[in-house]
Amino acid sequence: QKEVEQNSGPLSVPEGAIASLNCTYSDRGSQSFFWYRQYSGKSPELIMSIYSNGDKEDGRFTAQLNKASQYVSLLIRDSQPSDSATYLCAVVLTGGGNKLTFGTGTQLKVEL
Amino acid sequence: AAGVIQSPRHLIKEKRETATLKCYPIPRHDTVYWYQQGPGQDPQFLISFYEKMQSDKGSIPDRFSAQQFSDYHSELNMSSLELGDSALYFCASSLGADPFYEQYFGPGTRLTVT
Repeated sequence: QKEVEQNSGPLSVPEGAIASLNCTYSDRGSQSFFWYRQYSGKSPELIMSIYSNGDKEDGRFTAQLNKASQYVSLLIRDSQPSDSATYLCAVVLTGGGNKLTFGTGTQLKVEL
Repeated sequence: AAGVIQSPRHLIKEKRETATLKCYPIPRHDTVYWYQQGPGQDPQFLISFYEKMQSDKGSIPDRFSAQQFSDYHSELNMSSLELGDSALYFCASSLGADPFYEQYFGPGTRLTVT
């Protein structure tokens, strides 16, 4: 079992819809969670960080964290074709220093 | 805003050759991380440096070494290259070594070993 898990997708949503991306992690003591967007052949681009239970909003993006359920999610409102990419969930695990442990990523396709 | 700079962007080497990848962190960032991403895989942590000292080590082969210099730039040295070393190599930097600091990735170096 991977320490950080995501559905690989692809997740297809129509333009203008809400895309919901999910991530679970195995280390209950994890404190730092990040969402990155990665276009094919490009580098991961930081979308958002979240450290406390609840919601954190930034523009069209909302990250949600539930430490009791060991679950973190990313909502993308008003999805655009330019949002089509792979979304990587990254976690700093307990005792792991500050290195990022990534999930395998969810491929999102926003269709016209 | 200034970003992480990596050079070269593309590198083609033959088996058993040596490669050196360079990373220049965002100004004022003192922590540098190296990640390797194979085709269709997620990024895997290799090694990190904080204030010019190695701070953490991941699944980095013994054939690889790295260091951080006084100006905070970092170099990843890869020797006896193997076909399996072909991958994207990303450098990331952060403002400090605390896990709550966000890591920003450079554009990467695509290494192809033939």
